[in-house]
Amino acid sequence: GESVGLHLPTLSVQEGDNSIINCAYSNSASDYFIWYKQESGKGPQFIIDIRSNMDKRQGQRVTVLLNKTVKHLSLQIAATQPGDSAVYFCAENRNSGAGSYQLTFGKGTKLSVIP
Amino acid sequence: KAGVTQTPRYLIKTRGQQVTLSCSPISGHRSVSWYQQTPGQGLQFLFEYFSETQRNKGNFPGRFSGRQFSNSRSEMNVSTLELGDSALYLCASSSTGASANEKLFFGSGTQLSVL
Repeated sequence: GESVGLHLPTLSVQEGDNSIINCAYSNSASDYFIWYKQESGKGPQFIIDIRSNMDKRQGQRVTVLLNKTVKHLSLQIAATQPGDSAVYFCAENRNSGAGSYQLTFGKGTKLSVIP
Repeated sequence: KAGVTQTPRYLIKTRGQQVTLSCSPISGHRSVSWYQQTPGQGLQFLFEYFSETQRNKGNFPGRFSGRQFSNSRSEMNVSTLELGDSALYLCASSSTGASANEKLFFGSGTQLSVL
């Protein structure tokens, strides 16, 4: 079936290093992807998004890369900080056909930053 | 402006009971979505409301229902609770829910435990 999934469930990174979190999707018709960060006890928080007509988008310390050929999405975090420790989800925003959009989330990757 | 507010923060119920969860969206937002988050299944879409109408529904049994009021506040109800309903229930709001690039803002969720 169609799904959005993650390659690695956990990732440990030394403070100051760069982090890369990967995501695979299977719906080739998807045209909008979002990365969310969820800290303990909180709801998911928007980090960055990208449309399918783009290959790369940069934010503050974060970059999202999209490879439509292999249906792969990645989130790069530069100079990872302890505050980046959280679970990261990729999500696909699909047109539900009912006049609205619906997010389909991946399982999540837990990022642990080692001080 | 205030974020998405969900009440209560925690709930403990027993099997067979019913429960009602409440969500107040960001002021001006008219679309409210509900998601269930469990360690095993991740984040799964329940339903979405706009202008007091359910516009989209996920793959959950009829025991899960919701409604939206004229002030855009929303409630979801789960009847005849089962142990598997134990989860974090997240509410998210957006302006209209009708654009792919429209950002979704999540509340901190209601943690439901069914004993």
